[in-house]
This record gives sequence, structure tokens and C-alpha cells, in this order.
Amino acid sequence: DTGVSQDPRHKITKRGQNVTFRCDPISEHNRLYWYRQTLGQGPEFLTYFQNEAQLEKSRLLSDRFSAERPKGSFSTLEIQRTEQGDSAMYLCASSPMAGSYGYTFGSGTRLTVV
Amino acid sequence: QQQVKQSPQSLIVQKGGIPIINCAYENTAFDYFPWYQQFPGKGPALLIAIRPDVSEKKEGRFTISFNKSAKQFSLHIMDSQPGDSATYFCAASIRAAGNKLTFGGGTRVLVKP
Repeated sequence: DTGVSQDPRHKITKRGQNVTFRCDPISEHNRLYWYRQTLGQGPEFLTYFQNEAQLEKSRLLSDRFSAERPKGSFSTLEIQRTEQGDSAMYLCASSPMAGSYGYTFGSGTRLTVV
Repeated sequence: QQQVKQSPQSLIVQKGGIPIINCAYENTAFDYFPWYQQFPGKGPALLIAIRPDVSEKKEGRFTISFNKSAKQFSLHIMDSQPGDSATYFCAASIRAAGNKLTFGGGTRVLVKP
């Protein structure tokens, strides 16, 4: 297990379509985070899980966004009825719950809505 | 207040120079301050982090200075190399509140050979 994996790396979709991204965290990490990063900006927090429980969602996460982490392993982020404003890099990160507080980020999924 | 302000937006130094990036925060509840390095097309990678009970921390060529009273912290890259050319982000979090990171806007550093 070498790090956090995200799939796909790139996704181009037409406005109005639904998309789903997957994140596989480092296996022993209890916490999993989703962030969104637009060009030239720092990442912004979207939501996080502790094991399978989704503990917090940002106001940035509209009703069109949903995230799951079944069985506390991998996570999916779905965007329904995509809009051009959803175009961004979606980053997943994981960390242990206790001890070190450093995150390990994946390489992200670049979403382009046309 | 959750904002973290970072400056400058970009920085050019010669090889061997010392780029310095500054960040300021408002929320005194923040208790974890990491710095991340990001290359194009990659996710951010943790460089170094500090807690507010420490005024300085060094790891290799990277040093964080922390001024709790001024609510400011900075990153120094000693003996910078062309391979250090990247975007650097400061961040802050409250560890007991889910450790959700609030990032600064980023600084693009270019180290010329």
C-alpha cells in the first residue's frame, strides 16, 4: 500500500451528467477527507469520514454532491447534474485518527464540465 | 474566522537563495499548522508542520517560524534548488474538530539555476 489512490485521474463530462469518483485511502488510516481545488487556489474542505461515518459536510457540498464510505474502506464522491462551476480538481486524503495529524493526499481527479 | 492569508502569491529566487513565505491567521483555536508542497498535476504533499507551543521547527532545508502572539507563521527554504520549484500552501486546523485543513491561497516558487 503505497499511498492514496484516486480514480479516474481525469474526467470530462457534459453539463447535466452525473459523475462518480473513487478514493482508496491508506489501509490503516481511519479518517478520509475530500477537498476541492480550483485553478490557482488552495484546496477547500468538502467532507470527511471517520471509518464509515460521515462526520461533517461543508456548505460547499450542495445537494447535488454525495459521498459514501461503505465499510470504512474506499470512498466515492458523486456529483449529480454537473454544472460548469463544478470543474475543479477533487482531492482525497487520509490520515490516522490519533498520533500524527499529517494528511496523505492522492493525486486527485481533474473534472472538466463542458 | 477560518481564513488563512498567504503571501506573496509568487516568488523567484536564484539557486541557493532563501525563499520566505508568510501566513497569517485569525482563529486562535487553530492548533496545527502544516505546510504542503504541490507540483503540477499532483496532490499536495506534507512538508513540515508545527504546533503553537513551538516557535521554530527544522526538517532538512525547510524551517517553520511561528509567532503565536502575532498569529503568523512562515516557511523558509534554505539553499533552494531548482527542484524546489513548486506551489507551497500553508494551512491550519483544529485537531479536536476533525483536523479539517483551512488552506492559504498558495505561493508559486521558482528557483532559477
